[in-house]
Amino acid sequence: NAGVTQTPKFQVLKTGQSMTLQCAQDMNHEYMSWYRQDPGMGLRLIHYSVGAGITDQGEVPNGYNVSRSTTEDFPLRLLSAAPSQTSVYFCASSYYPGGSQETQYFGPGTRLLVL
Amino acid sequence: EDQVTQSPEALRLQEGESSSLNCSYTVSGLRGLFWYRQDPGKGPEFLFTLYSAGEEKEKERLKATLTKKESFLHITAPKPEDSATYLCAVQSENTGGFKTIFGAGTRLFVKA
Repeated sequence: NAGVTQTPKFQVLKTGQSMTLQCAQDMNHEYMSWYRQDPGMGLRLIHYSVGAGITDQGEVPNGYNVSRSTTEDFPLRLLSAAPSQTSVYFCASSYYPGGSQETQYFGPGTRLLVL
Repeated sequence: EDQVTQSPEALRLQEGESSSLNCSYTVSGLRGLFWYRQDPGKGPEFLFTLYSAGEEKEKERLKATLTKKESFLHITAPKPEDSATYLCAVQSENTGGFKTIFGAGTRLFVKA
């Protein structure tokens, strides 16, 4: 198993540009989520999904869109990038929160710089 | 509001010098408390899940404990390879476990 994969590893954007951060998992996990990590603030939940076709907002959803058309993929879209979105983005997945296996498996991260 | 506070922010130890990391939490009905390890430039890696006060779990030189208000990650005789950031996180019953709240982490440096 490849686990959780993320692309790209690093991206530089100009203010106002759009882009999609890709996330895929091959563990047949129902739950997937996106976090951003900023210095001194820990990981903050952006959006999450409990299955294909079902998404919901996390702690910091503004400026981000998500969709879940398949179990494997959970892309994160920035419609109009802002410097405040400069961060490291992590995708994570787990079998299903509340079940016996709630451990989240994290991807390697995408480092985004918005100029 | 669910909240997680970790202390200290950074900890420097000599190899073999045992110590503890603290995670204080406020949550409406604890569903689970998690410890992760994060190496520079990588994603967090799962270490432990604790579900109820009094529970303890061990893995090599690490031992995690849980009370009703806080969790400790005890590191016994650490080695330089234990250097990393350790993250604490909680899930609450209020959110059905769907939202995980993370602390800012403790950066551990172990010198040989």
